[in-house]
Amino acid sequence: DGGITQSPKYLFRKEGQNVTLSCEQNLNHDAMYWYRQDPGQGLRLIYYSQIVNDFQKGDIAEGYSVSREKKESFPLTVTSAQKNPTAFYLCASSRGLGTEAFFGQGTRLTVV
Amino acid sequence: QKEVEQNSGPLSVPEGAIASLNCTYSDRVSQSFFWYRQYSGKSPELIMSIYSNGDKEDGRFTAQLNKASQYVSLLIRDSQPSDSATYLCAVNRGGSYIPTFGRGTSLIVHP
Repeated sequence: DGGITQSPKYLFRKEGQNVTLSCEQNLNHDAMYWYRQDPGQGLRLIYYSQIVNDFQKGDIAEGYSVSREKKESFPLTVTSAQKNPTAFYLCASSRGLGTEAFFGQGTRLTVV
Repeated sequence: QKEVEQNSGPLSVPEGAIASLNCTYSDRVSQSFFWYRQYSGKSPELIMSIYSNGDKEDGRFTAQLNKASQYVSLLIRDSQPSDSATYLCAVNRGGSYIPTFGRGTSLIVHP
């Protein structure tokens, strides 16, 4: 069953902690993306990767880091430098840049 | 000017009516346009993509693109209460081809 899997669905983080959000796809897509969504807001781009071992900063990359060591996987680390990390995080993938993007089910991160 | 603009709504239509959702964009060289539906608390799901000027129909949905006016719209015919959701317009940036999203329009279809 092809798709994009994000885990966990809900995540709670204490102040000062780093946390890593998982994103795995078995669609054989080259491009992957991370977006953040705040209540009443559109999706804002954090990082994207066009191909394995390559990634680029998006509009709001500060306080986040990513890696793309495998085609299937694009984990996002929310570091303690991110001042307001509480949000809904969405991972997406597409065959290539400019083609249709499909989303995982999202991870809702809350700082406690 | 925001890159992708949508009226936040809510747009309220009666069941069976046509819902018309609109989106304007600022990047003249954008080539790819997408509509997503997002139910409350869920992730966006792709409804339609459109790349050329004109209309594209898929079931009850029709996407319309006018590149000269930098305008893309989504029509939903025979609207159902299950269509009640937020509709996101996404436009690929001309240089990088990265999807940029509007804030979405909330649609309410009442019985």
